[in-house]
Amino acid sequence: EPEVTQTPSHQVTQMGQEVILRCVPISNHLYFYWYRQILGQKVEFLVSFYNNEISEKSEIFDDQFSVERPDGSNFTLKIRSTKLEDSAMYFCAGNLKGDEQFFGPGTRLTVL
Amino acid sequence: DAKTTQPTSMDCAEGRAANLPCNHSTISGNEYVYWYRQIHSQGPQYIIHGLKNNETNEMASLIITEDRKSSTLILPHATLRDTAVYYCIVSLIYNQGGKLIFGQGTELSVKP
Repeated sequence: EPEVTQTPSHQVTQMGQEVILRCVPISNHLYFYWYRQILGQKVEFLVSFYNNEISEKSEIFDDQFSVERPDGSNFTLKIRSTKLEDSAMYFCAGNLKGDEQFFGPGTRLTVL
Repeated sequence: DAKTTQPTSMDCAEGRAANLPCNHSTISGNEYVYWYRQIHSQGPQYIIHGLKNNETNEMASLIITEDRKSSTLILPHATLRDTAVYYCIVSLIYNQGGKLIFGQGTELSVKP
């Protein structure tokens, strides 16, 4: 069964550094999403992406964040200058027609 | 998106049916009820969704009241591996962005 993959599984970085989180969605999916979950808190929507552009973004998704689908397979989330409060699990998800979303296993980001 | 209310936690004996309630009294006519679950810190996993008719798949059954103001997810024979946080989410299908708004969910503990 096809699945969403994310790399790395755990990323440790220093405050102020740039990080890129990578996702490979299921190949026939058209809509893509990033969510995050701070330890002990609920899953929060960050951004949705369709047809090579952002469809919707939350208040969390400020100018420090960007998304890209550079080669038709990878879907990346970049944080330009990480802050301590960016420490969280980041989940990528995708779906075909806005129905059920398939989530990846997540990347744990730790900002020191 | 309509707000949902779920109990914080529930216990269930292994092999018995787990019935997880959800209130969504402000649901609108074109909003669907989705159920996802999150096992430990893994990515959320889709379970089932419905509009107004009861639905069943290989994982669970979804019972939606006639006025659509509440629903119940039924896991017919709970196993230890069903221990997870279960999220009831109300959302437009095919809406722009297709974002999922997660609440705190119900933490289901299946006990031997």
